[in-house]
Amino acid sequence: QVQLVQSGSELRKPGASVKVSCKASGYTFTNYAMNWVRQAPGQGLEWMGWIHTNTGNPAYAQGFTGRFVFSVDTSVSTAYLQISSLKSEDTAVYYCARVDWITGKDYWGQGTLVTVSS
Amino acid sequence: DIQMTQSPSSLSASVGDRVTITCRASQAISNYLTWYQQKPGKVPKVLIYAASTLQSGVPSRFSGSGSGTDFTLTISSLQPEDVATYYCQRYDSAPRTFGGGTKVEIK
Repeated sequence: QVQLVQSGSELRKPGASVKVSCKASGYTFTNYAMNWVRQAPGQGLEWMGWIHTNTGNPAYAQGFTGRFVFSVDTSVSTAYLQISSLKSEDTAVYYCARVDWITGKDYWGQGTLVTVSS
Repeated sequence: DIQMTQSPSSLSASVGDRVTITCRASQAISNYLTWYQQKPGKVPKVLIYAASTLQSGVPSRFSGSGSGTDFTLTISSLQPEDVATYYCQRYDSAPRTFGGGTKVEIK
């Protein structure tokens, strides 16, 4: 069965970096783009962008350019989100998600809480 | 970029009530709209895609309608297990913007 398993919670100081992983299994990794979604505490869902896993080509939503980098390692079927120069407002749960908008089938990672605090 | 505006932001209704949530796109998106349900502490899941197609396994009390700029999610008879926040999302093109969400509670 399709599974997306994310890395565990992270605590970082302002200005540091963090890298979140999302390991896929149960399907051909390069057949689907991987979406990244942010949810700040008590807030709604924000689509951060996606990465085409077959080419490694990312696309970022407005507000997620510059400090946010999506990448993939197809040899281990894993997508990554790296955030640099962390700010307190980056504190959120970050989800990876595979969504097939043609069939409506969606698979989500369990979410990774990134806390930025001094 | 196209903005997605949901209303209301929250609602409280009684068990058995009919509940309607609206989502408006700032430009036409045909029927490229998905509705998600996110229960407290859980990940989101697709309820409806292509504006009106019920995802497999979703109770038939949920329905979606609309095309162009105006969309509706309806729960025909609200149940306690429907307590959640509901989000719309466009997928006609990138960015695949979410609406702000509608929190549904039981009165």
